[in-house]
Amino acid sequence: DAKTTQPNSMESNEEEPVHLPCNHSTISGTDYIHWYRQLPSQGPEYVIHGLTSNVNNRMASLAIAEDRKSSTLILHRATLRDAAVYYCILSYNQGGKLIFGQGTELSVKP
Amino acid sequence: NAGVTQTPKFQVLKTGQSMTLQCAQDMNHEYMSWYRQDPGMGLRLIHYSVGAGITDQGEVPNGYNVSRSTTEDFPLRLLSAAPSQTSVYFCASIPSGTGKNGYTFGSGTRLTVV
Repeated sequence: DAKTTQPNSMESNEEEPVHLPCNHSTISGTDYIHWYRQLPSQGPEYVIHGLTSNVNNRMASLAIAEDRKSSTLILHRATLRDAAVYYCILSYNQGGKLIFGQGTELSVKP
Repeated sequence: NAGVTQTPKFQVLKTGQSMTLQCAQDMNHEYMSWYRQDPGMGLRLIHYSVGAGITDQGEVPNGYNVSRSTTEDFPLRLLSAAPSQTSVYFCASIPSGTGKNGYTFGSGTRLTVV
């Protein structure tokens, strides 16, 4: 099963952009790249996902490298409510299996 | 729509007791999964189901049983609770297995085994 590598923690200032990196060098051609976040004492929340092209939604943007071996989650203007653990996960072709890593704990300073 | 509903929210068990954690979704999702999250750790996959009548093991299946008799429900059974099973349990669902859609997670069941 392909794995992802993320920094353990990152800091950001409120209202500044945040770039959360993820490496997935063993990704296969049919694996989707998913991002979830988990606020304290809550279940994981879907943020965004993509296959090859960059993706945008109301929460964030996902930039995927051309070789698909890395991706970056972009929060355009961090708020205090964005402080959470962010997980980058590969969704295997057969689905049903999201294998979580340790994630990146994002702290946002006012 | 209620999404993914987990019951109970909190539970305390004695060692050796059995219980069932309930998970129900009203989105007609084909795939459902159970995860556990220990303090300060990421989520680990216990069991998952790709449709009614079909289940498979995840990363940490020992001590747990599942069944999927309907599309809506995916209960998780602890056969003989142990302190090592103290954790927060999350259920999740997704429309299908192609990875094209994001997962919806329940709010969790916090289980303590004493």
